[in-house]
Amino acid sequence: AQKITQTQPGMFVQEKEAVTLDCTYDTSDPSYGLFWYKQPSSGEMIFLIYQGSYDQQNATEGRYSLNFQKARKSANLVISASQLGDSAMYFCAIRMGAGGTSYGKLTFGQGTILTVHP
Amino acid sequence: GAVVSQHPSRVICKSGTSVKIECRSLDFQATTMFWYRQFPKKSLMLMATSNEGSKATYEQGVEKDKFLINHASLTLSTLTVTSAHPEDSSFYICSAMGRKGEQFFGPGTRLTVL
Repeated sequence: AQKITQTQPGMFVQEKEAVTLDCTYDTSDPSYGLFWYKQPSSGEMIFLIYQGSYDQQNATEGRYSLNFQKARKSANLVISASQLGDSAMYFCAIRMGAGGTSYGKLTFGQGTILTVHP
Repeated sequence: GAVVSQHPSRVICKSGTSVKIECRSLDFQATTMFWYRQFPKKSLMLMATSNEGSKATYEQGVEKDKFLINHASLTLSTLTVTSAHPEDSSFYICSAMGRKGEQFFGPGTRLTVL
């Protein structure tokens, strides 16, 4: 079984600063994908970034980048130039690779509430 | 981008009644849909996996007779909370996965059982 851990219940950052949200995972499957989602107070789950276990380079999407350290089994999210609108709950999730019966299922971490101060 | 809708977005019902929540993939065919439950400020917990034309697979601890799932077509899955009680009050979110593995979440349904 796979497991995702987010150890930061809450994080604070000053507007325009960068912030790192931690995520570690545990799986014995060599093929998996790591996701980060943002959930504002409205409840919708907004996809931010994806990293495949075989991807050689760290994923980047605009102000979001994923610091993927496979040996350490960590997939931290880095948000650069924080904006007030970034205040939300952030979830890290893992999905097993294609071909398995668990394909598609996302296992989520506990979440981190990010607050951006002006 | 692909859109997944959920209806209703919010529902309040009396204890003992049944509530049906619809999840639709609007511009792609979803081979698999997933139903999650989320308590306030908590993580999403997978309830069941729904494949078109077959019975849903429920996660351990989820009562299949309580949470009925039907995936009648490649664009629609429904979750029916039968004989709802206050402890069933929660935020229910579906996600839909296409043939290429792309996956999108619905906006969620907030259920309040009085």
